[in-house]
Amino acid sequence: GESVGLHLPTLSVQEGDNSIINCAYSNSASDYFIWYKQESGKGPQFIIDIRSNMDKRQGQRVTVLLNKTVKHLSLQIAATQPGDSAVYFCAEFIRMDSSYKLIFGSGTRLLVRP
Amino acid sequence: EAEVAQSPRYKITEKSQAVAFWCDPISGHATLYWYRQILGQGPELLVQFQDESVVDDSQLPKDRFSAERLKGVDSTLKIQPAELGDSAMYLCASSRLRDLISYEQYFGPGTRLTVT
Repeated sequence: GESVGLHLPTLSVQEGDNSIINCAYSNSASDYFIWYKQESGKGPQFIIDIRSNMDKRQGQRVTVLLNKTVKHLSLQIAATQPGDSAVYFCAEFIRMDSSYKLIFGSGTRLLVRP
Repeated sequence: EAEVAQSPRYKITEKSQAVAFWCDPISGHATLYWYRQILGQGPELLVQFQDESVVDDSQLPKDRFSAERLKGVDSTLKIQPAELGDSAMYLCASSRLRDLISYEQYFGPGTRLTVT
């Protein structure tokens, strides 16, 4: 069978606890960032985004923090639920000549223990 | 809720054979993307279309991969001949805006390709 995420860093949390997933990006010129959630066998799903002129943005149960000084993003999930179990990717938009390109970082697998 | 459709969902093929994947973006979405995702990694862009025109195919291995979007709606990605290293998930995504700054991309379920 398919063994998804064998080589991914894994975060294991207890149901109800808060989760923090971290991501480092590479391009200081990136002006827009997105967090995606990918469940096994599915395509990535948009969670939350943030522009480079912001340092924090909140959604429903999720918060994204951006530290441009150290080129670091984090995704905070409050009261983690079993349905949050998935692989999470950060992605940055980079200007490439006449277009923008979405560059994905390496993912983190979130496991929620009941 | 409209979704990006892809077929087939799974494909097993022998090396040196030809394989094709199909994508139908969300209706009205002008921009279409094909990504390849190797197990355990993030998706990597292969080709981007704006309507029927290729905007970016710099990462597409053009000796064996081809992509088309003839009428600016659905798209086909082809590999010929397939190699063992092509085993991956092939994801299609689309975005709404007609200009090139299309931040929110909607992904399909992907086609899982296994080359034996």
